Amino acid sequence: QVQLVQSGAEVKKPGASVKVSCKASGYTFISYGISWVRQAPGQGLEWMGWISAYNANTNYAQKLQGRVTMTTDTSTSTAYMELRSLRSDDTAVYYCARDRVGGGLTDAFDIWGQGTMVTVSS
Amino acid sequence: QSALTQPASVSGSPGQSITISCTGTSSDVGRYNYVSWYQQHPGKAPKLMIYDVSNRPSGVSNRFSGSKSGNTASLTISGLQAEDEADYYCSSYTSSSTNYVFGTGTKVTVL
Repeated sequence: QVQLVQSGAEVKKPGASVKVSCKASGYTFISYGISWVRQAPGQGLEWMGWISAYNANTNYAQKLQGRVTMTTDTSTSTAYMELRSLRSDDTAVYYCARDRVGGGLTDAFDIWGQGTMVTVSS
Repeated sequence: QSALTQPASVSGSPGQSITISCTGTSSDVGRYNYVSWYQQHPGKAPKLMIYDVSNRPSGVSNRFSGSKSGNTASLTISGLQAEDEADYYCSSYTSSSTNYVFGTGTKVTVL
């Protein structure tokens, strides 16, 4: 079945970096883009950015520009999200989500990973 | 880019219908028919319930329906069931540099 499986929970100190993986299966990886969405404890969803699995084009949320990098490895059908200079307010569950429609602009996210808890604490 | 505005909570009795609103601007909800709705149970990942304002993915109950008027989209749940108790988020594509914006979220309680 179509699924996205993410890496496990992380605990990081302020100023450090974290890299979360998202392994896709059950579909042609390069046919769909992947977005990353995070959710702070007790808060709503926040779109972080998007990467095309076809050509690695990216588009990041303005507030995270300069701190986030999204990449893909087509040989393993895996997407990655790296966030640098971590702060306490980066503590959140990080989700990867597949574009419902391939080819760039999508209308929704139809498959979600199970989420990865990232805790930033000294 | 500000989040779309949703009521914090909505409740209803089993069998009733409820409607959740999602208010945006002319740069997102009012401009595009790319409004989607997600259901999230505690500790779980969001699940797509509605896309393109009013379309249901395969497997989603027809008790869920969506609509839009101007800058406000709505999700209606008819024949409310205990399993519908969850958080619901709307989302829209936006013309801002942040391509997608989510709503503030609505907690649905089945009385």
